[in-house]
Amino acid sequence: AQSVTQLDSHVSVSEGTPVLLRCNYSSSYSPSLFWYVQHPNKGLQLLLKYTSAATLVKGINGFEAEFKKSETSFHLTKPSAHMSDAAEYFCVVSDSGTYKYIFGTGTRLKVLA
Amino acid sequence: GAGVSQSPRYKVAKRGQDVALRCDPISGHVSLFWYQQALGQGPEFLTYFQNEAQLDKSGLPSDRFFAERPEGSVSTLKIQRTQQEDSAVYLCASSRPTGATNEKLFFGSGTQLSVL
Repeated sequence: AQSVTQLDSHVSVSEGTPVLLRCNYSSSYSPSLFWYVQHPNKGLQLLLKYTSAATLVKGINGFEAEFKKSETSFHLTKPSAHMSDAAEYFCVVSDSGTYKYIFGTGTRLKVLA
Repeated sequence: GAGVSQSPRYKVAKRGQDVALRCDPISGHVSLFWYQQALGQGPEFLTYFQNEAQLDKSGLPSDRFFAERPEGSVSTLKIQRTQQEDSAVYLCASSRPTGATNEKLFFGSGTQLSVL
């Protein structure tokens, strides 16, 4: 069965410093993995997705994530945080061949001036 | 339309009332999903449509929940005899499958339901 664990419910960083949001997954088959961002009062927006091509995936707004099968991880990173990055981030897993998307519980990112 | 539209944005219901939540997906999108997001949690799958066919309703929490998409476009999620535990944000998402199952989902802003 698919599942996803976001290891931190809250992360605080200073503006201009690196961001690391951690995600571990469990999947029976070859998974597709996604990161979505949710700004207050806005819909969830796709940041990036991994679909068994390159293991390092680049997304929008300078975010990227690396798929590590040996560690069953898909951590989200950004070299330099911006105030506008403050939001809730969700890691999502979907087994290949299914339409079910399983969301993690989310990580709230706070960016300090 | 330009995006997935959900209405109403906010709904307050008295316990025992019936409510109907509407989702207007992006034109041409075949797949439509409903998710429930409780406070402080990630979205949880409720049901899935491909065109007008409801292919999976395994996530609906009880028989008080009912969803339909009669013409393969607009969808309605109905909750009968609402209970306080139904209070949550209800999210609708659509996608246009190309044969793959790792499609990008386009989400609406959700309907925040509060049951008093």
